[in-house]
Amino acid sequence: SQQGEEDPQALSIQEGENATMNCSYKTSINNLQWYRQNSGRGLVHLILIRSNEREKHSGRLRVTLDTSKKSSSLLITASRAADTASYFCATDEDNFNKFYFGSGTKLNVKP
Amino acid sequence: NAGVTQTPKFQVLKTGQSMTLQCAQDMNHEYMSWYRQDPGMGLRLIHYSVGAGITDQGEVPNGYNVSRSTTEDFPLRLLSAAPSQTSVYFCASSSRGEQYFGPGTRLTVT
Repeated sequence: SQQGEEDPQALSIQEGENATMNCSYKTSINNLQWYRQNSGRGLVHLILIRSNEREKHSGRLRVTLDTSKKSSSLLITASRAADTASYFCATDEDNFNKFYFGSGTKLNVKP
Repeated sequence: NAGVTQTPKFQVLKTGQSMTLQCAQDMNHEYMSWYRQDPGMGLRLIHYSVGAGITDQGEVPNGYNVSRSTTEDFPLRLLSAAPSQTSVYFCASSSRGEQYFGPGTRLTVT
């Protein structure tokens, strides 16, 4: 089955630093999405990037997609303590809104 | 809009019991999905639906049934609960790719 895998599994940084997490997947996709999950809560959609896009920005978030390497990265600039959460990538390979999630990157931003 | 709602929030079952997890959305989304999340893991797709009357299996469908009689509701039935089904269950709906998640149901099977 199609599944994204995030790297690193855990990341600890100081407030104000940038955080970069990566996602690799196995087969061709229609789009890739990033989600945030605060401890014990549901997932919140952050950004969607389609297979024909290479980069997308939303506020302090920057996502890149390299379909030749089957990988994506999420950059959070000027991180804040409130960014502490787990971040997941999800891939949609056939556009039926059937998503496969990776195991996530746990980000800890120290104040 | 309430978004995606799930009930109950917590449930404890004994092995062999059955129950239904409820999920409803008020955004008129055609797509709905059920996931389970085990500790320290990502979400795994159980079942999904592309519209009323249409359902299909995801990665881990065994032990679960779904139906979609209306656009709004997508209940998940555990037929005979097993300890391996102890997990947090999330329902999601989507229209143009972006998924909206419910708050989750924490299920413990003893």
